[in-house]
Amino acid sequence: EVQLVESGGGLIQPGGSLRLSCAGSGFTFRSHDMQWVRQVTGKGLQWVATIGTAGDTYYPDSVRGRFTISRENSQNALYLQMTSLRVGDTAVYYCARTKYTLGAYYDYWGQGTPVTVSS
Amino acid sequence: QSVLTQPPSVSAAPGQRVAISCSGNSSNIGAHYVSWYQQLPGTAPQLLIYDNTERPSGIPDRFSGSKSGTSATLGITGLQTGDEADYYCATWDNSLDGWLFGGGTKLTVL
Repeated sequence: EVQLVESGGGLIQPGGSLRLSCAGSGFTFRSHDMQWVRQVTGKGLQWVATIGTAGDTYYPDSVRGRFTISRENSQNALYLQMTSLRVGDTAVYYCARTKYTLGAYYDYWGQGTPVTVSS
Repeated sequence: QSVLTQPPSVSAAPGQRVAISCSGNSSNIGAHYVSWYQQLPGTAPQLLIYDNTERPSGIPDRFSGSKSGTSATLGITGLQTGDEADYYCATWDNSLDGWLFGGGTKLTVL
């Protein structure tokens, strides 16, 4: 059974840093692109970062230069290092697995970890 | 404001059918396959439709997807109260060089 379990969320002051983790199991972790997606309470989903199987990374402008996605395939682990955090980064952060058939999509999601940026 | 436009809400009675639209442009929906996600209250999103029209195993055939040009549609027939959820479309955008989600549609089964 495919499982993704996030951890590392919490309360952090503006300008601070936080590292989120996502533990994958039940599949060949190194063979899949992985994603971080966030959701502000009561709002929609927002793509945060992608890492490919070769370690290539992609970010939206809103987090580029502040967030870094990485992976450790030997540990089946995905990370999101967040720096210079802003109140607007407050959200639940989900990790998700990417699958490719004709197109690409997120076929499994974790349960999410909440991040609150507040003074 | 999302580049993929969905109606904020739709509603219908149990047993009826609804259609949720997702409108984009030639850089996103017009160029790439669309997926749909269901988010039940208090839970993580779940894949509902991929490759415009395909259902993952375990998703009932009451759910269907279609795409025409720069728009996609999620159809749900035989509505049940358990279908009350938020629904999101998603695809890649060439101009942004990144993933896009629609703003989400809240389905209410009256």
